[in-house]
Amino acid sequence: ETGVTQSPTHLIKTRGQQVTLRCSSQSGHNTVSWYQQALGQGPQFIFQYYREEENGRGNFPPRFSGLQFPNYSSELNVNALELDDSALYLCASSPRRSLGGETQYFGPGTRLLVL
Amino acid sequence: GIQVEQSPPDLILQEGANSTLRCNFSDSVNNLQWFHQNPWGQLINLFYIPSGTKQNGRLSATTVATERYSLLYISSSQTTDSGVYFCAVERSGSARQLTFGSGTQLTVLP
Repeated sequence: ETGVTQSPTHLIKTRGQQVTLRCSSQSGHNTVSWYQQALGQGPQFIFQYYREEENGRGNFPPRFSGLQFPNYSSELNVNALELDDSALYLCASSPRRSLGGETQYFGPGTRLLVL
Repeated sequence: GIQVEQSPPDLILQEGANSTLRCNFSDSVNNLQWFHQNPWGQLINLFYIPSGTKQNGRLSATTVATERYSLLYISSSQTTDSGVYFCAVERSGSARQLTFGSGTQLTVLP
């Protein structure tokens, strides 16, 4: 157990809909990152939040957006869902912002299926 | 961006055998982590090892940062070791953006 929780565990949506995924970071961690893992591939970085602001973004379109709350929990929102958005979405937390180099701890993920 | 290559892509072992998984990366890194992904998708931290050698039970890892590679050793494999092993690196200055390799699928047969 890493102390990082995600909800829901599974979700089915149809193309064009919007979805919100949630993550509670490990106690004491103020940085949250989101990753997308397509079937058979390694996770890919979507974006990171630190102190409620986006702090780095991967190669994902603007319809992927996020929020971080004062308690450091986070949401990932995806608008106008496409079939290729079907994936495992992973949240990771880490303790503080620096130049990096600290362990990231992953939640169990949310499996999204877009029909 | 930084490139991460893992080998072999697939590995099948008999229970009790030893194995070595390799991770090559193309740039200097602040962070290198090895993960085991279980069948339910949970990424389990095995090692945080940007350099040096660490051991945890039957598992050990070595990272040679100057030569840009890391090795994960699994000794006396058990069926519960089956799953996908990922290497992930954080390029220096990228502030916690992990780049993952494509993984090694390990199957340990009884």
